Amino acid sequence: GAVVSQHPSWVICKSGTSVKIECRSLDFQATTMFWYRQFPKQSLMLMATSNEGSKATYEQGVEKDKFLINHASLTLSTLTVTSAHPEDSSFYICSARFGSRGHQPQHFGDGTRLSIL
Amino acid sequence: SQKIEQNSEALNIQEGKTATLTCNYTNYSPAYLQWYRQDPGRGPVFLLLIRENEKEKRKERLKVTFDTTLKQSLFHITASQPADSATYLCALVDSGAGSYQLTFGKGTKLSVIP
Repeated sequence: GAVVSQHPSWVICKSGTSVKIECRSLDFQATTMFWYRQFPKQSLMLMATSNEGSKATYEQGVEKDKFLINHASLTLSTLTVTSAHPEDSSFYICSARFGSRGHQPQHFGDGTRLSIL
Repeated sequence: SQKIEQNSEALNIQEGKTATLTCNYTNYSPAYLQWYRQDPGRGPVFLLLIRENEKEKRKERLKVTFDTTLKQSLFHITASQPADSATYLCALVDSGAGSYQLTFGKGTKLSVIP
């Protein structure tokens, strides 16, 4: 089946640090990639939608200058949390979809647990 | 306001029985509804998709129904096994969503007791 690799799986760092998370689709070309955030016992909240070669579309309330998304190729998207603070601590998950139609499932990475001290 | 509700936060069931999970939605017109499985500390894994014009979909021990009149989807696992223990998420694709993004419910944590 389709495989999405997310790296790193766990980050602990000091407040004010910028953290970069990578999301790669290993065996298919991802037309669209999504970034989610999940708090304990909560649903996945979509942060942004990213199409290869174009600017990401951010959901309402998500600061685009805080969460920088780059989708440089059909197999790689990165999320950079700039000047991270303790309130940014969360579980960040990416997903990739082949094609642009709603009937195609999303394939998820295993998430990155971000802890800001 | 728009809501997706998975009625039970947790469901315990005896091994071998059928587990039934519920997903209700309000103020959406979903073109598709999907079910995912999520294990602790992992990303969701796609299980099944059902379209708005389909009533039922099956895959091995899994069955999904979709009733657009009741605005409800039911997810069944027959002959449940301890390995089925996980959180199950329903997600819908709203017909008005530009990039066909998914909106998720909070999930139901299923525990299958041996």
